[in-house]
Amino acid sequence: DAGITQSPRYKITETGRQVTLMCHQTWSHSYMFWYRQDLGHGLRLIYYSAAADITDKGEVPDGYVVSRSKTENFPLTLESATRSQTSVYFCASTGAGGGETQYFGPGTRLLVL
Amino acid sequence: GENVEQHPSTLSVQEGDSAVIKCTYSDSASNYFPWYKQELGKGPQLIIDIRSNVGEKKDQRIAVTLNKTAKHFSLHITETQPEDSAVYFCAASKTGNQFYFGTGTSLTVIP
Repeated sequence: DAGITQSPRYKITETGRQVTLMCHQTWSHSYMFWYRQDLGHGLRLIYYSAAADITDKGEVPDGYVVSRSKTENFPLTLESATRSQTSVYFCASTGAGGGETQYFGPGTRLLVL
Repeated sequence: GENVEQHPSTLSVQEGDSAVIKCTYSDSASNYFPWYKQELGKGPQLIIDIRSNVGEKKDQRIAVTLNKTAKHFSLHITETQPEDSAVYFCAASKTGNQFYFGTGTSLTVIP
């Protein structure tokens, strides 16, 4: 069972370039989330989606764009990457809102030069 | 928004001893408190959770306690083993849509 996967696992890019991080889940979970993890900050929510075509901002959405045309995919795009977006990005999913278990992907390490 | 504080940031214990990690939250409406374990190079994995209508929950060597009045909750690991070494995160949520995480505790169990 694949569960939740992320690609690429590692990415190096340059300031100003567009980067898209992919997230795919095989459980048909309705909710999906994008977090960034930085030392001293723990995990911070960037965007989340309750269902296909429904997305909402989290704690740190600036500089990021998401879409959800299909239930199983939730790509995160950095339209013009900045050095401050160097981080580890985690995708997660749950079956429904209201406290269901979040399942996390393995993460994408992004370095912006 | 919610603010979750977690202490300590690092913790070293001898194998077989107990480990306690504490978190406080600011929003009294938060009602779901999960704990995650993150091993090196992997995503966080849920190890135990508690809801606001319960004061304590146990699962083998792991327990979580919640004090709603004081707005704090704690993770207790007994009889620690080297494989318990990891980073642990607490989180709080009131909607199940937005989770606010603590900054993590790096636990080292010394054999």
